[in-house]
Amino acid sequence: DAKTTQPNSMESNEEEPVHLPCNHSTISGTDYIHWYRQLPSQGPEYVIHGLTSNVNNRMASLAIAEDRKSSTLILHRATLRDAAVYYCILSPMDSNYQLIWGAGTKLIIKP
Amino acid sequence: EPEVTQTPSHQVTQMGQEVILRCVPISNHLYFYWYRQILGQKVEFLVSFYNNEISEKSEIFDDQFSVERPDGSNFTLKIRSTKLEDSAMYFCASTSGRNNEQFFGPGTRLTVL
Repeated sequence: DAKTTQPNSMESNEEEPVHLPCNHSTISGTDYIHWYRQLPSQGPEYVIHGLTSNVNNRMASLAIAEDRKSSTLILHRATLRDAAVYYCILSPMDSNYQLIWGAGTKLIIKP
Repeated sequence: EPEVTQTPSHQVTQMGQEVILRCVPISNHLYFYWYRQILGQKVEFLVSFYNNEISEKSEIFDDQFSVERPDGSNFTLKIRSTKLEDSAMYFCASTSGRNNEQFFGPGTRLTVL
């Protein structure tokens, strides 16, 4: 199974942008890159996903490296509510797009 | 806004007992999933379900586990004979398409004594 590598934790100041990195050097050409987050004591929540091109939505942006071996989730202006564990997940086409979870990055937002 | 619901929020059971965890996915969704998360650990895929049958399952999902969609709205996970190591948060999720956003429920905390 393709795996992802993320920092265990990151800190950021409120109202500043946050860049959360993810390495996925063994990604295959048909694997999608998903990001989910889990707020304390809640179920996971979808953030964004993409294949090759950069993606934007109301929550975040996803920047995918040209070789697809890494990606970065960008929160443009972090709020205290964004404090969560962020998971970078590969979704392989040959596993029916099953989500394969890593350990995630715990994002701490300082007021 | 539609949401996935799960009941109960917390289930305590004795080792060896059967438990059924219930989920109501979003009504027009077609793909359904169960995941678990042992305290302090990562989320683990258990099983996916589509068109009234299992489409994928992990090594965790052994003969002690089964899933059912009995009435077109509920989606259940049954553990026949619970073990201590089954203690975890169990999350149900649903989606309208295989590679679309998955919507997760709030989870059921299962405690096996």
